[in-house]
Amino acid sequence: AQSVSQHNHHVILSEAASLELGCNYSYGGTVNLFWYVQYPGQHLQLLLKYFSGDPLVKGIKGFEAEFIKSKFSFNLRKPSVQWSDTAEYFCAVISSNTGKLIFGQGTTLQVKP
Amino acid sequence: EAGVAQSPRYKIIEKRQSVAFWCNPISGHATLYWYQQILGQGPKLLIQFQNNGVVDDSQLPKDRFSAERLKGVDSTLKIQPAKLEDSAVYLCASSPRGTVTNTIYFGEGSWLTVV
Repeated sequence: AQSVSQHNHHVILSEAASLELGCNYSYGGTVNLFWYVQYPGQHLQLLLKYFSGDPLVKGIKGFEAEFIKSKFSFNLRKPSVQWSDTAEYFCAVISSNTGKLIFGQGTTLQVKP
Repeated sequence: EAGVAQSPRYKIIEKRQSVAFWCNPISGHATLYWYQQILGQGPKLLIQFQNNGVVDDSQLPKDRFSAERLKGVDSTLKIQPAKLEDSAVYLCASSPRGTVTNTIYFGEGSWLTVV
């Protein structure tokens, strides 16, 4: 079955620490990949997306992600987190075979000031 | 540009009662989605419309959930009768022409508590 797996359910970091959130998917064919963020009490917002081209994608607020096709991975990174990055992060994948946007279970990031 | 509008934002009902959620997508967006997000989980697609036709409703519990998009613009999701496990956030989203090459934009969600 098609699935998206996020390795970390809850991550706690201090400000200025580096962040990497793992995301793996199991799909055949062409995929489009997304990271969404949900701040407390707010709606899902798109952080970044990969459709094609350079596998290193830069998004808003200093986030980036790297698509590694051989590893079926799309990990999210940020060199130095801020308290305001406290939120829930969702990896999502669309397979060209299904056209359905499937989400991972989410990772809660807590940044301590 | 106005975003995806949803109402009501919050609803508390007793089990076996009914509830309806409304969504108005971004103007011009042909594709509309309803997702269910249970606390601690990622959003799960319930139904996808392309204009006023259903593209995918494979995960919609059709014995109690129904959705329509009669004029290809706004949409209503209904639950009748509600169960305790329906407590969740119901997210409406839209995209210009489908999912494969377009970004999906989400509304703020309708929070449902069934007691």
